[in-house]
Amino acid sequence: DTAVSQTPKYLVTQMGNDKSIKCEQNLGHDTMYWYKQDSKKFLKIMFSYNNKELIINETVPNRFSPKSPDKAHLNLHINSLELGDSAVYFCASSQVQGSRGAFFGQGTRLTVV
Amino acid sequence: TQLLEQSPQFLSIQEGENLTVYCNSSSVFSSLQWYRQEPGEGPVLLVTVVTGGEVKKLKRLTFQFGDARKDSSLHITAAQPGDTGLYLCAGHNFNKFYFGSGTKLNVKP
Repeated sequence: DTAVSQTPKYLVTQMGNDKSIKCEQNLGHDTMYWYKQDSKKFLKIMFSYNNKELIINETVPNRFSPKSPDKAHLNLHINSLELGDSAVYFCASSQVQGSRGAFFGQGTRLTVV
Repeated sequence: TQLLEQSPQFLSIQEGENLTVYCNSSSVFSSLQWYRQEPGEGPVLLVTVVTGGEVKKLKRLTFQFGDARKDSSLHITAAQPGDTGLYLCAGHNFNKFYFGSGTKLNVKP
């Protein structure tokens, strides 16, 4: 069974479109995250949710809006996509406070053309 | 701002060689993790170290957390082609994982 699953794996879309990425974890974790990995493989946190509540918003443009319907799901909606949004987006989860590490999904490669 | 620096950035070695990857920071972390990432996949957690000076072994991999909890090292003994991948360290503080710049390891048969 996949612990952290996100869909879709690949997303190609035109500038200006709106798109969503879905994420689900079956590990029973309380905390979920969205990370962005750039072309140099650097991973940067975007958002963190604990029990459906937003606890970290790392100066991400307002076009990015996360939503957590329950603690097992954290979706990412992106409005008015720009070329610079092209990257790989990873969902992750961890136990409360995360001191034991995080478990990542397979990633969604977003390409904006 | 990137808080963790990894070295080397790239490493290409022959099968059977030993290697060490370093992860350095000026910040103190409550815990530190090492991950391995393969192309097209997400990072996979290898180990978490929590206590300053802690050493953990995972088969041929040895992880050490610095005494001051600011740095860490990953040592691989007798590297194998299956060890090839991107190795990432991450420090944890205040509900965030701060990732290092990564070390791309290639082990040639």
